[in-house]
Amino acid sequence: AQSVAQPEDQVNVAEGNPLTVKCTYSVSGNPYLFWYVQYPNRGLQFLLKYITGDNLVKGSYGFEAEFNKSQTSFHLKKPSALVSDSALYFCAVDYGGSQGNLIFGKGTKLSVKP
Amino acid sequence: GAGVSQSPSNKVTEKGKDVELRCDPISGHTALYWYRQSLGQGLEFLIYFQGNSAPDKSGLPSDRFSAERTGGSVSTLTIQRTQQEDSAVYLCASSLQTGTGSETQYFGPGTRLLVL
Repeated sequence: AQSVAQPEDQVNVAEGNPLTVKCTYSVSGNPYLFWYVQYPNRGLQFLLKYITGDNLVKGSYGFEAEFNKSQTSFHLKKPSALVSDSALYFCAVDYGGSQGNLIFGKGTKLSVKP
Repeated sequence: GAGVSQSPSNKVTEKGKDVELRCDPISGHTALYWYRQSLGQGLEFLIYFQGNSAPDKSGLPSDRFSAERTGGSVSTLTIQRTQQEDSAVYLCASSLQTGTGSETQYFGPGTRLLVL
């Protein structure tokens, strides 16, 4: 079965420090991987995606993610966290099946303290 | 251009009542999705529309849930005889659809449903 895991329910980071939000996946075939962010009482906002090519993907708001096929991971990173980055982050996979729907991880709450 | 819009933003209803939730996708997007976000449960796929094809209803949790998409644009999700466990945020998304699975889904702000 296709699945996505976000092993950390919450990540706490001090402002200015680098942050990593972890994601691993289990799919058959070639995955298409996505990161979304959700601010309180808002819908999901697209951050970035990996389709093919360069394993390092750059996205919105200074975020980037690295696709690692051997470790089946797609961790989200940012070199210097901001308090305004505090939000709920979702990793998702679309394995290109006929359904087209995304399979989401359960989300990781990122808290950046000043 | 305008993003995905959903209405109402909040809905409070009594157990046993029917509710309708509306989604207006981004103009030109042929694919439309409904997801449910329950507290502590992440996002759960409900239903998927692609153009004029029959919808994929495989994620609907029970026969009390149904959805339609009129004219290939606006979609309505209907929940009949609501139960307290239906309380959640219902999110709609739309995308272009090339059949490759790589298109980005853009989400609306959601409808927060509370069943008393």
